[in-house]
Formats: sequence, structure tokens, C-alpha cells
Amino acid sequence: NAGVTQTPKFRVLKTGQSMTLLCAQDMNHEYMYWYRQDPGMGLRLIHYSVGEGTTAKGEVPDGYNVSRLKKQNFLLGLESAAPSQTSVYFCASSYSYYNEQFFGPGTRLTVL
Amino acid sequence: SQQGEEDPQALSIQEGENATMNCSYKTSINNLQWYRQNSGRGLVHLILIRSNEREKHSGRLRVTLDTSKKSSSLLITASRAADTASYFCATDAQRNNNDMRFGAGTRLTVKP
Repeated sequence: NAGVTQTPKFRVLKTGQSMTLLCAQDMNHEYMYWYRQDPGMGLRLIHYSVGEGTTAKGEVPDGYNVSRLKKQNFLLGLESAAPSQTSVYFCASSYSYYNEQFFGPGTRLTVL
Repeated sequence: SQQGEEDPQALSIQEGENATMNCSYKTSINNLQWYRQNSGRGLVHLILIRSNEREKHSGRLRVTLDTSKKSSSLLITASRAADTASYFCATDAQRNNNDMRFGAGTRLTVKP
């Protein structure tokens, strides 16, 4: 099993450009999450999904959109990237909210 | 806003010593989880402790939870150089248990 995978691993964008980060899990988990991690800080939840076709806002949702069209995939979109969105983005999945979360390796995004 | 806050921010010990990290949180929780992050990698789950539990063990790890003080501690016994990593606590909030909040972490360095 691959677990949780993220694509791409690195990306550099110019201000105003758009991009989509892909997260895939092969554990048949219902719950999926997108976090961002900034230096010296813990993870902050951007959006999450409790099942196929559902999404919900987390702590820092502004500037991001998500979609969960298939149970195994959770996409994070940046419509108009800003330098403040420079961060490392982690995807995670879990069977339910009270189970452990499995994390992907992260995507390092730089917005110039 | 962060729910959990780890203390200390950084800890440096010699191999073989014990390491204790603390986590304090603000609102009532359903469960508290500890995660480990090696530099440049995703988070790995260590232990989940529920609000009705007071102590859990896993190998060299011991976690305690004091809901009256809204605090938890992670003890790593007989530390090894390979334990060098950042350790995070994560808590849900009873009012919205899908929203996990991570602290800023404790950076542990174990010197050989």
C-alpha cells in the first residue's frame, strides 16, 4: 500500500497563478484533510472532507478551494496564488475523526 | 488559533536520558493525539488518548492526560539519536470534533 501520496512534491508559482495539489489515499478512508505548515508553527487545517462529495472549511480556508469527487482523492486548489500562501502543504486521511491521521510527505510551495 | 501548545519549544538531551514534553490546551476535548515529524517529512502518529483515559503506553512512549488541568505529557524513555524530531500534540474540540488543532511542537535533539 502506498498510503497517502501527494503531487507535486515541489512547486514555484508567480503571484496570481493558479494550481491544484492532488492527494490520493489507498486505505479506503472516509476523512481527508489539507493542512499548511509554516516555519515555527504547527499544522493549520485548511479544509477537510468527511466523505465523497463533501467538503468543509477548517481554520484557514481563505484563498483555497477543495473538491472530493472520488473517495480516494482530495484536491486543493489555489485560484490566484499570493506570497502569503508560501508554505508546506500536507494532506492526511483517517478512518474517522477519532482515529489516527495518516500524512502524506508534503508539497513545498513557493509563491514569488 | 492553536488549541494545543507544547512546552518546551526545544529540548536537547543525551542518548539514554528520558525526554518529557508537555501539551496544554484550552477547551474540552474528545481525544488528544501525539505525532512525530522528522525534518522534511510528514507527520507520523504515535499515540491517541481519549478524554476518559489517564495514561497509555506504547513501547518506550508513555502519555498521560489530565483533563482537569487540560494538559498532557509525552515521555520518551531511554532516548536514542533516532528520536531526534519534532513532536506535536493535536486536539479536537468537543464542539467540532472534525477540526483537529496542532500545537507548534517541541523540537527534540538527542545527542549520541
